[in-house]
Amino acid sequence: GAGVSQSPSNKVTEKGKDVELRCDPISGHTALYWYRQSLGQGLEFLIYFQGNSAPDKSGLPSDRFSAERTGGSVSTLTIQRTQQEDSAVYLCASSSGGGNTEAFFGQGTRLTVV
Amino acid sequence: GNSVTQMEGPVTLSEEAFLTINCTYTATGYPSLFWYVQYPGEGLQLLLKATKADDKGSNKGFEATYRKETTSFHLEKGSVQVSDSAVYFCALSDYGSSNTGKLIFGQGTTLQVKP
Repeated sequence: GAGVSQSPSNKVTEKGKDVELRCDPISGHTALYWYRQSLGQGLEFLIYFQGNSAPDKSGLPSDRFSAERTGGSVSTLTIQRTQQEDSAVYLCASSSGGGNTEAFFGQGTRLTVV
Repeated sequence: GNSVTQMEGPVTLSEEAFLTINCTYTATGYPSLFWYVQYPGEGLQLLLKATKADDKGSNKGFEATYRKETTSFHLEKGSVQVSDSAVYFCALSDYGSSNTGKLIFGQGTTLQVKP
């Protein structure tokens, strides 16, 4: 597609349930990032993929959070046993790689845990 | 670790006023610096960037200069428009060290421009 696509755009889930958030990066972009945007914490880095591997997972807040990327393309962020503090907008970005290149962001998934 | 500090908002200006949004950073190595903008209802998009000391990034009338001596990257615009109303994020990337390209963001500054 023309841009980074994320789905769903909105997700309401009950506390304790698992959720999966999907990201389709720009075709050909080897680098993919997940960020979280919340009122109290601003924009936080979660995880970085280069191809299908994740050399930097340092931002994942707990072991309830995991992510994978397949075929060097689509990525899924999974949150297990959701808690209310997980409520936030989850943003995905992709780039052609390296710290000097522009990252293109998706519209995000707004997750609300009730 | 690396960090970015932005001036707190919201910033409210009249149309055609001069804008400055302050941004300072702490980093090891030689990061690249960015300003991203989030217009209402839209995703984050790159506004401008600078990759080395004394570089000036510019776009849509906005400018920012990479100042290594003051570790700053302040955003300026000479004459703001109502359409500039948005949230502005200063960010750095780890280019030159681990080079993952991950971004460290400031807290964001909301700008509201009134006609």
